[in-house]
Amino acid sequence: VQLVESGGNLVKPGGSLRLSCAASGFTFSDYYMTWIRQAPGKGLERVSYISSGGTYTYYPDSVKGRFTISRDNVENSLYLQMNSLRAEDTAVYYCARVHATSYSFDYWGQGTLVTVST
Amino acid sequence: QSALTQPRSVSGSPGQSVTISCTGTSSDVGAYNYVSWFQQHPGKAPKLIIYDVTKRPSGVPDRFSGSKSGNTASLTISGLQDDDEADYYCCSYAGSYTGVFGTGTKVSIL
Repeated sequence: VQLVESGGNLVKPGGSLRLSCAASGFTFSDYYMTWIRQAPGKGLERVSYISSGGTYTYYPDSVKGRFTISRDNVENSLYLQMNSLRAEDTAVYYCARVHATSYSFDYWGQGTLVTVST
Repeated sequence: QSALTQPRSVSGSPGQSVTISCTGTSSDVGAYNYVSWFQQHPGKAPKLIIYDVTKRPSGVPDRFSGSKSGNTASLTISGLQDDDEADYYCCSYAGSYTGVFGTGTKVSIL
């Protein structure tokens, strides 16, 4: 199993960014997927997840209305569109696979850094 | 949802055992047997070491064990090794496909 994130960058407040996660080594379309972030020196926060077919998504209040998760089960890719970015969105963003039979995250990518600053 | 409460740090000598607590509520830890633990070395991605309170993924040594009593889950690391020095996070399901992470614990080897 391999998950490789990309798209992190320095962006100004109010700007937008799209993160990608390329998945390999497993049947991507069988699994829920999620994005989890970690602000510098802080703990973990899940910012979205998406069902295996893409029909069901979830966002916490901290990003609802600003972030959109999507997936392409043909390209085996996961995406996170982030709009109206704020300084507090600065973090390393990880994509992770949701365990098949449990509420847990069994494989993680290496992360991509998003910095929101003037 | 508030973060699950973990001690900021714990420490132990090589070969000893340490236990990290993870305290939630009757709506998360106490309600479901879906507590997991992650190990994170500096600059690295978290790694799943325990799921469903007590289960270990393939490849995780049996020195790592999990348990739960009421609203508190625990991770025990037996036979401490230098490589166990890392941050550890718990995570619990909280219903309706939501969950909550713990505040994190730094394990130091004396």
